[in-house]
Amino acid sequence: AQSVAQPEDQVNVAEGNPLTVKCTYSVSGNPYLFWYVQYPNRGLQFLLKYITGDNLVKGSYGFEAEFNKSQTSFHLKKPSALVSDSALYFCAVRDDRGSTLGRLYFGRGTQLTVWP
Amino acid sequence: NAGVTQTPKFQVLKTGQSMTLQCAQDMNHEYMSWYRQDPGMGLRLIHYSVGAGITDQGEVPNGYNVSRSTTEDFPLRLLSAAPSQTSVYFCASSYFGSMNTEAFFGQGTRLTVV
Repeated sequence: AQSVAQPEDQVNVAEGNPLTVKCTYSVSGNPYLFWYVQYPNRGLQFLLKYITGDNLVKGSYGFEAEFNKSQTSFHLKKPSALVSDSALYFCAVRDDRGSTLGRLYFGRGTQLTVWP
Repeated sequence: NAGVTQTPKFQVLKTGQSMTLQCAQDMNHEYMSWYRQDPGMGLRLIHYSVGAGITDQGEVPNGYNVSRSTTEDFPLRLLSAAPSQTSVYFCASSYFGSMNTEAFFGQGTRLTVV
C-alpha cells in the first residue's frame, strides 16, 4: 500500500528565511506525489506535483519541491518565506495500480508558521 | 467554471438525524471522493467513485452512504448521525486518465453532531 509521512507537525521560520517541509513516501509502483496547502477555513489547494525525471519541481507561490528517489523523499522548499505562507501543508501520493487505483493517500499535515 | 461546489458550508445535527452533503463538479472528472479531516489525523477517505454508477469504500466508510448517478454529482449521506462524525468534510474530484493529475477540492462542510 502507498503511504506518506510528514515527520514534523509544526515548522516555524522567520520571514525571509528559507523553509523546508519534509515528506517521505512509500510506494509499490511509480511515485505520483503532490503537495497541497490549506489556509484556515478553506479547502485544499494544489501547489505542485512530481514530474518524472525532474528532481526539482517548481510550483505556485514560489514553492518548489526536491525529489530524492534514494531517500524516498519529496521535501517542499521555498528560498524566502513570507508571513502569508503560514498554513497547513499536506503531502500526498496517488496509487497507480490494483483495486486502489487513483486513490490519494495524505500525510498528517505540517503546520507552517512564518513570523515577521 | 465553478470547480467543486459543496453545500452546506456549516451544519449542526442532533444525534440520530440524517442528512446529505452535496458535492458537484463541472470539470467532467471521472474520479470523485469524500474525505473527513480531523485534527492531527490528516484527511481520511470515506468513499470514492471512478465514474457514474460505480462507488467503493475508503478507510472510514461506516455510517456513510454514497451514490453516483451522474458524472457531476456525488452526494454523501449520513444515515444516523453520531457525535464521532463531528468533522470537516471535503469533496474532491480529479481526472482518472492519468495518475499524474491533481485533485480539486471543495471548500468543505463543517459538521457538528450534538
